[in-house]
Amino acid sequence: RKEVEQDPGPFNVPEGATVAFNCTYSNSASQSFFWYRQDCRKEPKLLMSVYSSGNEDGRFTAQLNRASQYISLLIRDSKLSDSATYLCVVRRVTGNQFYFGTGTSLTVIP
Amino acid sequence: EAQVTQNPRYLITVTGKKLTVTCSQNMNHEYMSWYRQDPGLGLRQIYYSMNVEVTDKGDVPEGYKVSRKEKRNFPLILESPSPNQTSLYFCASSIGLNYEQYFGPGTRLTVT
Repeated sequence: RKEVEQDPGPFNVPEGATVAFNCTYSNSASQSFFWYRQDCRKEPKLLMSVYSSGNEDGRFTAQLNRASQYISLLIRDSKLSDSATYLCVVRRVTGNQFYFGTGTSLTVIP
Repeated sequence: EAQVTQNPRYLITVTGKKLTVTCSQNMNHEYMSWYRQDPGLGLRQIYYSMNVEVTDKGDVPEGYKVSRKEKRNFPLILESPSPNQTSLYFCASSIGLNYEQYFGPGTRLTVT
């Protein structure tokens, strides 16, 4: 079983829509959680860390559900510039390795 | 400007010809890592380093070597490249495990 699994999409949404992505992780001992954004095979860039209590950054909201072992990303009022691939990243409490999901592709349509 | 640099950005080589991809960061980060990205497989960690002279294997270390003699540099060495190492490679650095990883621009390697 993969360490981190994401729905690859693609998600095609109109501007202004709200879209949500989920990511599941297999190891209950996972410690740190992140969402990264990657544009067209360029380098990934941190979108936001995910905290146990959930956190919000502008139009973006991240949630962590440890019981069900998933994290989510909600994007409100989608912009054309949100079109990208969103990567879920997890680190276990033991070890210093990071595990990336394969990414979820989002296209925001005018 | 805070950044991670990689060189070369593009490389086409032949099977068995040793090569090195350099990675350098100017942020005084302790944690550095190498990833490869392949379609359908996502980013997979090759090697990582917690600090100078401390390196560990990631998920896919076979066929690769690394060294960390200085804090800022973390070169990736392919002693005898093979076609299955054709991939997009990213170097990354971070101040710590719970913090943002900053990625280099990537190196697209083709081994024929």
